[in-house]
Amino acid sequence: DVKVTQSSRYLVKRTGEKVFLECVQDMDHENMFWYRQDPGLGLRLIYFSYDVKMKEKGDIPEGYSVSREKKERFSLILESASTNQTSMYLCASRFSGTGINEKLFFGSGTQLSVL
Amino acid sequence: QKEVEQNSGPLSVPEGAIASLNCTYSDRGSQSFFWYRQYSGKSPELIMSIYSNGDKEDGRFTAQLNKASQYVSLLIRDSQPSDSATYLCAVQRTGGFKTIFGAGTRLFVKA
Repeated sequence: DVKVTQSSRYLVKRTGEKVFLECVQDMDHENMFWYRQDPGLGLRLIYFSYDVKMKEKGDIPEGYSVSREKKERFSLILESASTNQTSMYLCASRFSGTGINEKLFFGSGTQLSVL
Repeated sequence: QKEVEQNSGPLSVPEGAIASLNCTYSDRGSQSFFWYRQYSGKSPELIMSIYSNGDKEDGRFTAQLNKASQYVSLLIRDSQPSDSATYLCAVQRTGGFKTIFGAGTRLFVKA
């Protein structure tokens, strides 16, 4: 089974802190994604990476950055956490290509609270 | 206009009934369409994908696609309480990287 592991299930941080969310996948997927999920808004794409060291902005990249130094690991960084970044963060990965390769595999999520 | 729109629900159906979930999308370049199921407190999991107009059946689930109307639906036959979840519609341009999700429809199946 594909496993996408997010380092923390719950995190509580203070405003202004630098926050790192880690995601590791074990299926050699080329593409990795960070979404945030808020009630009534669904999943919104923050950043994605289609290869090592490659990254692209999603729909809501402001206040976030990412790092992908190894194929299996994709990190989301909140440079200076703010209360409006309180959310559920979901990492996902998939193969490149079309058809069944477009299936996203999700991690279990990190519920981040910024106080 | 949101790129992918769904009724937020909740949609409540009795056990054994057919649940019908609907989704519209705005990008005519969308070529791949997905339904993900998300149980409360869990992450989404793919249950259906569809790529061409018409119906696609998998067990109790049927996905329907009408590209001319930019409309995707999911039918769940013989609904069970275990089907109670949020159903997320998602679309993607073929070869694109971004999968765009709707806000989801909450389904309750009453025993």
